[in-house]
Amino acid sequence: EAQVTQNPRYLITVTGKKLTVTCSQNMNHEYMSWYRQDPGLGLRQIYYSMNVEVTDKGDVPEGYKVSRKEKRNFPLILESPSPNQTSLYFCASSRASGRPSGDGYTFGSGTRLTVV
Amino acid sequence: DAKTTQPPSMDCAEGRAANLPCNHSTISGNEYVYWYRQIHSQGPQYIIHGLKNNETNEMASLIITEDRKSSTLILPHATLRDTAVYYCIVWAAGNKLTFGGGTRVLVKP
Repeated sequence: EAQVTQNPRYLITVTGKKLTVTCSQNMNHEYMSWYRQDPGLGLRQIYYSMNVEVTDKGDVPEGYKVSRKEKRNFPLILESPSPNQTSLYFCASSRASGRPSGDGYTFGSGTRLTVV
Repeated sequence: DAKTTQPPSMDCAEGRAANLPCNHSTISGNEYVYWYRQIHSQGPQYIIHGLKNNETNEMASLIITEDRKSSTLILPHATLRDTAVYYCIVWAAGNKLTFGGGTRVLVKP
C-alpha cells in the first residue's frame, strides 16, 4: 500500500530534550515536506525537500532541522524542544517534476507532540 | 499566502448533495485545482483535482468555471462520515502546497 508513515503518533517530552520524528514514504516521491497544525493557524509548512540532500525552509522553520540522506526518509529533528512547539505534525510527499501527479500530496497520519 | 477563498463553514443534510464553492481568481495557467479534506485530526486526504475540465471520481465531482476563477466540489450523497474540513488549493508540481482555512462541513442526520 502506498503510504507515508510517521512515528511516533503521540509523544510527550520535556523542554530541551532532543527528539526526532521519523517520516518514510514508499512511493519513490522526490518531494517531501513537514507541516505543523495549530488551532486557528491551519497547516503551515516547516521544511521541504525537493530531492536527496536538497532541503529548504518553509514558513515556520525556527527550532527545527531536517535531513534527506535517502529518498524515502525525511526526519524532523527538534534539537531543543520548547512548549511553543507543542503541535500536530504532518509529513507529506509528492512527485516533484513536471505535471502534478494524480493525487498531489500524500500525508502521514500525524504526530501529536506535547512539550512540557 | 493561500490563493483561494472558501466559506468558513456549511451544514448539509445526510443523503443530500453538498456543494462547496471556492474562489481562485489569481490562478495561473499551470496550476491545478486540488481538493483535500481532513477528518478530525487525521492527515489531509486527497479528493479530486482538475485543470480546466470538470472531473468526477468515486468520491466527488469537481466543476471548474470556464475562466477557471472558481470551482465547486460536489459530494453527491453526503454521509455523516463526510463531516470534515475541506480545503481547496491551487497547486503546480514542485510548488509549496499552501492550505487556507478551508470549509468546515457538518453533515446532519
